[in-house]
Amino acid sequence: AQSVAQPEDQVNVAEGNPLTVKCTYSVSGNPYLFWYVQYPNRGLQFLLKYITGDNLVKGSYGFEAEFNKSQTSFHLKKPSALVSDSALYFCAGNNFNKFYFGSGTKLNVKP
Amino acid sequence: DTGVSQDPRHKITKRGQNVTFRCDPISEHNRLYWYRQTLGQGPEFLTYFQNEAQLEKSRLLSDRFSAERPKGSFSTLEIQRTEQGDSAMYLCASGGQGATGELFFGEGSRLTVL
Repeated sequence: AQSVAQPEDQVNVAEGNPLTVKCTYSVSGNPYLFWYVQYPNRGLQFLLKYITGDNLVKGSYGFEAEFNKSQTSFHLKKPSALVSDSALYFCAGNNFNKFYFGSGTKLNVKP
Repeated sequence: DTGVSQDPRHKITKRGQNVTFRCDPISEHNRLYWYRQTLGQGPEFLTYFQNEAQLEKSRLLSDRFSAERPKGSFSTLEIQRTEQGDSAMYLCASGGQGATGELFFGEGSRLTVL
């Protein structure tokens, strides 16, 4: 089955510290992987994607993600967290035009 | 604002009633998706269209759920004989040509079934 997993329900980090939100995937063939962010009562906003090429992809708001084929991971990272980064983050995989989402990770950035 | 609009934003209905949600995608996008999201969960894939063709509908939750995209532009999601378990956020997303493109989501339609 094609799926992505987010092992952490919640991540807490202090403002200014680096953050990592984890994602692992199980997608056959070449995986197309995405990160989205959701603020309360809002739709999902696209952050970044990995299709092919450089394993480190950069996206919106200073976020980046590292694709690791051997570990089947696609972790979201940011060097210095902001309080405004507090939100719900979703990893997603695309298989034959069907996007599958992880269960989400709530990121709390404390001042 | 992603350019995908959904209507209504909120719908409260009584059990057994029918409800319909509308989605207007970004105009040049040929792919359109419907998802359901319950509190604390990730979006759950329901169905998707490429232009007017519904290419995947096996994930629709029951035969009470149906979706249309008659002219390849806007889409509707109908739930017949609503049940309390249908209470959720229904998200619409659209995407451009090509499998590698990201999806753009609307703000969602929240359904509450009393």
